[in-house]
Amino acid sequence: AQSVTQPDIHITVSEGASLELRCNYSYGATPYLFWYVQSPGQGLQLLLKYFSGDTLVQGIKGFEAEFKRSQSSFNLRKPSVHWSDAAEYFCAVGPQGGSEKLVFGKGTKLTVNP
Amino acid sequence: KAGVTQTPRYLIKTRGQQVTLSCSPISGHRSVSWYQQTPGQGLQFLFEYFSETQRNKGNFPGRFSGRQFSNSRSEMNVSTLELGDSALYLCASSLVDKNTDTQYFGPGTRLTVL
Repeated sequence: AQSVTQPDIHITVSEGASLELRCNYSYGATPYLFWYVQSPGQGLQLLLKYFSGDTLVQGIKGFEAEFKRSQSSFNLRKPSVHWSDAAEYFCAVGPQGGSEKLVFGKGTKLTVNP
Repeated sequence: KAGVTQTPRYLIKTRGQQVTLSCSPISGHRSVSWYQQTPGQGLQFLFEYFSETQRNKGNFPGRFSGRQFSNSRSEMNVSTLELGDSALYLCASSLVDKNTDTQYFGPGTRLTVL
């Protein structure tokens, strides 16, 4: 069964600093990969997704992610963090077939210091 | 276009009771999925409905059930509530049931079981 690991439970960065959130997946074939963001009291908002093609994908709010098959990773990056980016970030894998929809990692909570 | 709406937003029940949560998908979306979010287990897939039929089901006991109506609105029901059912229940809709479809999430229903 597929699984997603987000090694960092909590990350703190200063406003204006760069950000990288890690995501590793376990899946037999090329998965569909997603990053979602959840603000307190809100649902999930899709930041970006990877299905195939260019391994560097651009998303909303200045985020990007790079799919690295050799490392089974799909890390999320942003060159300069804004205070409004403080939220919880979830990496997810969507199977190309099977009985489940999205399988999520446990999430990384991002705190942004002024 | 209005987003995914979920009602009620907050609910308090006692053990042994049952509860029904409602989800209205984005207009034109025919697939609705339900997820449970808890601090310990994270986000877990409950089930998916498409064209009034349950297409996929996660690993939850039979106390959790759902249905979808002809207008694509969906309800989920939890019977004989347990303390561990306290969670944020998220509904997501997509155009069809393909795994490449983006899922749009609602704000969730916060269920507290006392």
